[in-house]
Amino acid sequence: EAQVTQNPRYLITVTGKKLTVTCSQNMNHEYMSWYRQDPGLGLRQIYYSMNVEVTDKGDVPEGYKVSRKEKRNFPLILESPSPNQTSLYFCASSYLPIPGGTEAFFGQGTRLTVV
Amino acid sequence: DQQVKQNSPSLSVQEGRISILNCDYTNSMFDYFLWYKKYPAEGPTFLISISSIKDKNEDGRFTVFLNKSAKHLSLHIVPSQPGDSAVYFCAARPDYGGATNKLIFGTGTLLAVQP
Repeated sequence: EAQVTQNPRYLITVTGKKLTVTCSQNMNHEYMSWYRQDPGLGLRQIYYSMNVEVTDKGDVPEGYKVSRKEKRNFPLILESPSPNQTSLYFCASSYLPIPGGTEAFFGQGTRLTVV
Repeated sequence: DQQVKQNSPSLSVQEGRISILNCDYTNSMFDYFLWYKKYPAEGPTFLISISSIKDKNEDGRFTVFLNKSAKHLSLHIVPSQPGDSAVYFCAARPDYGGATNKLIFGTGTLLAVQP
């Protein structure tokens, strides 16, 4: 079954304690990205990757890091989480490039709370 | 600055009637538009898309209309069913001339279909 898997689904942590949210896809997609969803703001892109070792900033990259050492995995790293990073996070993947159908497949989300 | 706007946070319709969800955008460089549906505790799932060179795309009960001059698109669901109750996100892909699948999302509209 084609899927994007995120872990953990829920996480409560304290300010300043480094954490990693993992993302893995089994569709051999080149393109992967991270979004955060906040009330009234929709989904905003944090970082994206167009292939192994190729990553770039999205719209809200501050406070986040990513790496793409393997095609299937795209972890999101918060080196020093702060309460304003409390949010619902989604990982997504898709084929690249796509002149036509460009639908991205999303993971189930990670609810992060930073206290 | 919100480039993709969904001005109606919520919409309620009766089962069997038409649901019309609206989306406005400001960036004339968008070349592809998509609608995603999101149930609680799940990631967004792709619903339907339209290229900027078309003005209509239909898939079963779902039709998306694009009015480029007005920078407006809409999603029509006919007939609406209780299972359609979800948050609907409009998304747009900017054509930067390179290989990227960056998507810019609206804030979402919560559709409630009453039995």
